[in-house]
Amino acid sequence: DAGVIQSPRHEVTEMGQEVTLRCKPISGHNSLFWYRQTMMRGLELLIYFNNNVPIDDSGMPEDRFSAKMPNASFSTLKIQPSEPRDSAVYFCASSPWDRGLYEQYFGPGTRLTVT
Amino acid sequence: AQKITQTQPGMFVQEKEAVTLDCTYDTSDPSYGLFWYKQPSSGEMIFLIYQGSYDQQNATEGRYSLNFQKARKSANLVISASQLGDSAMYFCAMRAEYGNKLVFGAGTILRVKS
Repeated sequence: DAGVIQSPRHEVTEMGQEVTLRCKPISGHNSLFWYRQTMMRGLELLIYFNNNVPIDDSGMPEDRFSAKMPNASFSTLKIQPSEPRDSAVYFCASSPWDRGLYEQYFGPGTRLTVT
Repeated sequence: AQKITQTQPGMFVQEKEAVTLDCTYDTSDPSYGLFWYKQPSSGEMIFLIYQGSYDQQNATEGRYSLNFQKARKSANLVISASQLGDSAMYFCAMRAEYGNKLVFGAGTILRVKS
């Protein structure tokens, strides 16, 4: 079975540009999570969806960040406009159930560099 | 609020020896899960092992075992017979049953020496 798929794997962009990260969760998983990993702050949960509905976006740092999940097999995380401090690895993860103790399966991550 | 503490920034272990990576947690939730993930230098996050707060026995997955001491709020990862490929960053994480967030510790870098 395919795991969580993320694209692109690497993104280099200039400050002020729009960046869109994409995620395809594991088929049948109904919970999707976006994380950001930096050296300074470690792994942080940005936003979480259950059944395509955003449940908790308290980790989204600013209004420049937005996330959507138009259907069960696709989600996007958008940064507009991007800033150098957004440089990080962004992970998407999925799990089969939100209220339960199932493990989350992570995608390979997108390494974002904003110059 | 939930909190995970990993006090060992880095660890060395000789190949074929066992190593314990420490993890303590804090939560007021009666039901929760504890997880360990491995992040090799390539960057992906690999799920290793899971322990539920009501599980009576310590979890095991191959060479990985979780030493769960509920009263002490610790969930240490034990890797037996270390291999060079075990060199990686290891994260402890927890999630409450009725919460949505997977809270991660700061991680421990493990280096296996030949």
